Amino acid sequence: EVQLVQSGAEVKKPGESLKISCKGSGYSFTSYWIGWVRQMPGKGLEWMGIIYPGDSDTRYSPSFQGQVTISADKSISTAYLQWSSLKASDTAMYYCVSPRSDTAMAFDYWGQGTLVTVSS
Amino acid sequence: EIVLTQSPGTLSLSPGERATLSCRASQSVSSSYLAWYQQKPGQAPRLLIYGASSRATGIPDRFSGSGSGTDFTLTISRLEPEDFAVYYCQQYGSSPLPWTFGQGTKVEIK
Repeated sequence: EVQLVQSGAEVKKPGESLKISCKGSGYSFTSYWIGWVRQMPGKGLEWMGIIYPGDSDTRYSPSFQGQVTISADKSISTAYLQWSSLKASDTAMYYCVSPRSDTAMAFDYWGQGTLVTVSS
Repeated sequence: EIVLTQSPGTLSLSPGERATLSCRASQSVSSSYLAWYQQKPGQAPRLLIYGASSRATGIPDRFSGSGSGTDFTLTISRLEPEDFAVYYCQQYGSSPLPWTFGQGTKVEIK
């Protein structure tokens, strides 16, 4: 069974750094893209970026380029989303997702979400 | 960049009624790459429809998708109590923004 399991909720102050994680299991981690989707409180879904762990090819939405860093550690089947300096506007739920070509690159698989709260 | 506009913003219906949700794209979308998701409060979204009209694994047949080009529709033939939720359309295309979502339609109990 394919599973994406995310790290727990975080409460941070503006200016702090943060790295959240998403561990994939039940499939070949290096063979499928894994990405991140933001959902701000009471708002819709926004695709942030994605990485192919097999060769670390990474793509970002223009809205998030330079604001976050996506990485992956093949040895532990885990993808990461990282901020170097958080802002209050980064407060949101973050989901990791993994598309599949046999469902036309739709997001078949979702993590349970990581709630990030940034407040002074 | 393709923009997806969903309508209506909110749909107020009773259980047993038919729900018709619209997703309009700012330019033509390949039907192969149009998907619909359902999100209930406190849960991650769930894939319902991919390729505009194919149901994902385990999705009941009261959910159906149709459309092509710039106009796509999600239909719920008879609303069950568990179907009251927010629904998003999504397209997959080329860079710089391969995946985009519509803003969502909330289906609420009338």
